Amino acid sequence: DAKTTQPPSMDCAEGRAANLPCNHSTISGNEYVYWYRQIHSQGPQYIIHGLKNNETNEMASLIITEDRKSSTLILPHATLRDTAVYYCIVQGAQKLVFGQGTRLTINP
Amino acid sequence: ETGVTQTPRHLVMGMTNKKSLKCEQHLGHNAMYWYKQSAKKPLELMFVYSLEERVENNSVPSRFSPECPNSSHLFLHLHTLQPEDSALYLCASSQEVTATPYEQYFGPGTRLTVT
Repeated sequence: DAKTTQPPSMDCAEGRAANLPCNHSTISGNEYVYWYRQIHSQGPQYIIHGLKNNETNEMASLIITEDRKSSTLILPHATLRDTAVYYCIVQGAQKLVFGQGTRLTINP
Repeated sequence: ETGVTQTPRHLVMGMTNKKSLKCEQHLGHNAMYWYKQSAKKPLELMFVYSLEERVENNSVPSRFSPECPNSSHLFLHLHTLQPEDSALYLCASSQEVTATPYEQYFGPGTRLTVT
């Protein structure tokens, strides 16, 4: 399974867009990019996933580069409740493997 | 609310006790998972069940014993635990184990403290 690299922490002002990067240079053709987040002491929450095309849902947008070696999760208008650890996971079939993620802090 | 519930939410037990963690999913999924999250460590997958059959056991000590009586319920039976087993235990479910793509839905977890 491909490995991902994320910055350990990021800050963002409330109301601004939060852009969380993820590098996955060894991703293979059948592997998807998933994003989850974990608010303190709660279970992880699925956010979005994509294969090649950019994706958008009610929570976020996922931008995947054309070579698929990196992606960016965008929270368009961050709120204090978006403070969490965000995990970028690259996976084909079978189990998800969580790394350390990015601790995103939204500041008032 | 993710459709996955876990009880109890908090548990304190001694090393000689026997206790069980319960997970229930209301999503009609066929796969269920147990994860362990120790302080400042990534989630570790412990067990995977598909249609009540265990399909993965990630070298978990025998003091942790899973049970999946049907596709909606998952238990983790605990006995003779050690203090280092104190952690957040998370249950998750997904539609299938091997279908792609799939997302997992997690319960709120049980915070276990072993004294």
